[in-house]
Amino acid sequence: QITLKESGPTLVKPTQTLTLTCTFSGFSLTTSGVGVGWIRQPPGKALEWLALIYWDDDKRYSPSLKSRLTISKDTSKNQVVLTMADMDAADTGTYFCAHFVAAAVNYWFGPWGPGTLVTVSS
Amino acid sequence: SSELTQDPAVSVALGQTVRITCQGDGLRNYYASWYQQKPGQAPLLVMYGKNNRPSGIPDRFSGSSSGDTASLTITGAQAEDEADYYCNSRDSSVYLVFGGGTRLTVL
Repeated sequence: QITLKESGPTLVKPTQTLTLTCTFSGFSLTTSGVGVGWIRQPPGKALEWLALIYWDDDKRYSPSLKSRLTISKDTSKNQVVLTMADMDAADTGTYFCAHFVAAAVNYWFGPWGPGTLVTVSS
Repeated sequence: SSELTQDPAVSVALGQTVRITCQGDGLRNYYASWYQQKPGQAPLLVMYGKNNRPSGIPDRFSGSSSGDTASLTITGAQAEDEADYYCNSRDSSVYLVFGGGTRLTVL
């Protein structure tokens, strides 16, 4: 059974750097085609893909946020870490991590962690 | 375009069939995946690939694709299917993108 859980601060100040950790079980991030992605959702709004790291350490970022994001993995701890620099009120929302599979022309997220709400406020 | 376009809202009578669509250039080359999200919950994968349902997803959910449009069809919609539905796909320019979501109301 695959499970994921996000952890990190619930409140950050503007201009600070957010660090979120995704701790997972039930799969290995050394398996070909497997990755872990981060997705966020502002209150009442749609899902937005942020970043993805693959089993081979290939990293992909949303072009609109690439300059602010860094994703990394620690396979020995079964963790993926996302940092987002220069936080702003517009970054307030729920941040999810999810197991990701890439197979030819098929790509999907699932399952997802429960999410963690991050509020940006001074 | 690197966007995926969904109708903001769709309604269906209980027991009837509803199709939720997702349009974008990336869908010409990649399959969409579909997610159901109920209030206060994380998204749940309900469809991926050509027409693949994860374990535990009822067979009233089906998927299809034609040209730049992917569709999620619910045949015999149930009250518990009322939720927001999001599509996601690979894209040659932005790599991955989600649609804006469709709120499904079961009447």
